[in-house]
Formats: sequence, C-alpha cells, structure tokens
Amino acid sequence: DVKVTQSSRYLVKRTGEKVFLECVQDMDHENMFWYRQDPGLGLRLIYFSYDVKMKEKGDIPEGYSVSREKKERFSLILESASTNQTSMYLCASSYFVASGTQYFGPGTRLTVL
Amino acid sequence: EDQVTQSPEALRLQEGESSSLNCSYTVSGLRGLFWYRQDPGKGPEFLFTLYSAGEEKEKERLKATLTKKESFLHITAPKPEDSATYLCAVQGTTGGGNKLTFGTGTQLKVEL
Repeated sequence: DVKVTQSSRYLVKRTGEKVFLECVQDMDHENMFWYRQDPGLGLRLIYFSYDVKMKEKGDIPEGYSVSREKKERFSLILESASTNQTSMYLCASSYFVASGTQYFGPGTRLTVL
Repeated sequence: EDQVTQSPEALRLQEGESSSLNCSYTVSGLRGLFWYRQDPGKGPEFLFTLYSAGEEKEKERLKATLTKKESFLHITAPKPEDSATYLCAVQGTTGGGNKLTFGTGTQLKVEL
C-alpha cells in the first residue's frame, strides 16, 4: 500500500513565524502535491512537483514556497505565517506524470494565531 | 477552466436506503474523473477512476458511473460506516495534465 506521511497532525504557530510542513511518500512516486482544504472551498492546489528540484505553481501559491531535494520528500514553507493561512494542509503523491490517481496523507491542521 | 459541482451538499440516509450523489463537470478534454472518500480529520482515500462515458466501477456498496457531463456515485443499502464526505475530481488534458480540480464534496450521514 502507498503510504504518505506528514510531519504533524496539528500545529499552532504565531503570525510572522516561518512554518515548515513536511511530507514523505514511500512508493517512489514522481509527482507530489500540496493542497489546502477549507470549508466550502474544497481542495485547492498550492504547488506541485513532478521531479526532484522541479516545482510548479498551483492555483493559490501566494505566501507559500516548496522544496523537493529528494524524490520521497516534499516540503511546504510558509515564509511568514498569517491568520488567513489557518487551514487543513494535505500532501499527495502520484506515480507518474499522466496519472491522476493521487494518494493523500492524513493532513496537518495548522492554526495561525 | 475546469469546474466540478457536487450535489447535494449534505445527505442523510437511513441504513439500507439507497441513493445517488451527483458530480457535474466541465473540462477541456477529460483525462479522468476520480471519486474519493474523506473521513473527518483525515486525508481523502481513493475510490474510483473513470475514463470515458459509459464506464462503470463498483466496490462493495458503491458504484460509480460516468456520462459526458456528469458522474454518479450510487450507494446501495448503505451502512453507518459509509458515512463520510465523498469528493469528486476531474483531470483535464490542459494545464500539464497533472492537475486535479475538486468539487466541494457531499457529506453523507447514514443513520441506524
């Protein structure tokens, strides 16, 4: 079974802090994704990566950056956290470029005070 | 721009009461339509992929069907453990082909 793990289930940070969310997948997937999920808005794509050191902006990249130094690990960075970044953050991976079947991690509930 | 609309937003069923969830979509060239199940506080769990109109997939009490404009998730004789939010997503042929566009989900509650 594919396993996608995220570094924290719950996180509380203060406005202005730099926040790192980490995601690791164990199935040698090429593609990795970061989403945020908010009530009434569904899942929205922040960034994705189709290879090591490669990244592409999703629909809502503002205020975020990402890093993929190793194939199995994809990090989401909030350079200066703000209260409107309070959300559920979900990481996903998929096997190859054309595959739409994404496997999700358990999510990180981030609260920015 | 790809769009996905799911209805109803919420659905309450009695155990054994069959029903259907709807997913309407517009996409510039459908590469795939996906159904996911999400339990509270957890990440979505993949259920089905449908690729072309007329295709059907089944898993236990769930059956997904696809037309050119919409997909249905039929739930036959549901049980309380089927309670979850069901998400629909489409993958189009534009935007690099990687991106999924999700609907906001149908929250299903099955009561005894």
